[in-house]
Amino acid sequence: SQKIEQNSEALNIQEGKTATLTCNYTNYSPAYLQWYRQDPGRGPVFLLLIRENEKEKRKERLKVTFDTTLKQSLFHITASQPADSATYLCAPGSGNTGKLIFGQGTTLQVKP
Amino acid sequence: NAGVTQTPKFQVLKTGQSMTLQCAQDMNHEYMSWYRQDPGMGLRLIHYSVGAGITDQGEVPNGYNVSRSTTEDFPLRLLSAAPSQTSVYFCASAPGDSSSPEQYFGPGTRLTVT
Repeated sequence: SQKIEQNSEALNIQEGKTATLTCNYTNYSPAYLQWYRQDPGRGPVFLLLIRENEKEKRKERLKVTFDTTLKQSLFHITASQPADSATYLCAPGSGNTGKLIFGQGTTLQVKP
Repeated sequence: NAGVTQTPKFQVLKTGQSMTLQCAQDMNHEYMSWYRQDPGMGLRLIHYSVGAGITDQGEVPNGYNVSRSTTEDFPLRLLSAAPSQTSVYFCASAPGDSSSPEQYFGPGTRLTVT
């Protein structure tokens, strides 16, 4: 069956450093991969989408890579700030339906 | 635009009771979905709809019913609540356009079944 794995342990980093989160998937060949941010008590918010024919995508301080050979996506936040503290979810998908498979998320804590 | 709205925010049910979680979106999105989120399990898809009158099962559909009579609304019904259905429920919508498959989530409903 399809499996999505994100680091279950929280990631603690110092303000100003680069945070790198990992998303691995198995038994799946997604056409794209989405990243979401979720704050406590709130619904996930879409951040970035990267397609299978794209190696890298950037948006402000965010960078996402997608390696279909390794079946892995990396999500980077440069110059991290305490306001970046949240849980980040990856979700590979195909087609244009609402049918996504989510990883369990990685919690990032940025300390001032 | 209000985006995706969900009611109620919190609900406590006794085992065997029934209820409907409401979800509405005002973005004219074709696709709508229901997820449940449990600690350590991430978001799991319950049911989804690709348009009015069309629904399909997700990963964990047992114990839940849905219908989609309008583009705007996608209610989730629990026919006979069980403690295993204690969870946070999120509704989401997506445009249905292959160029923008990202989903927009509601604020969630926290359900406790005793």
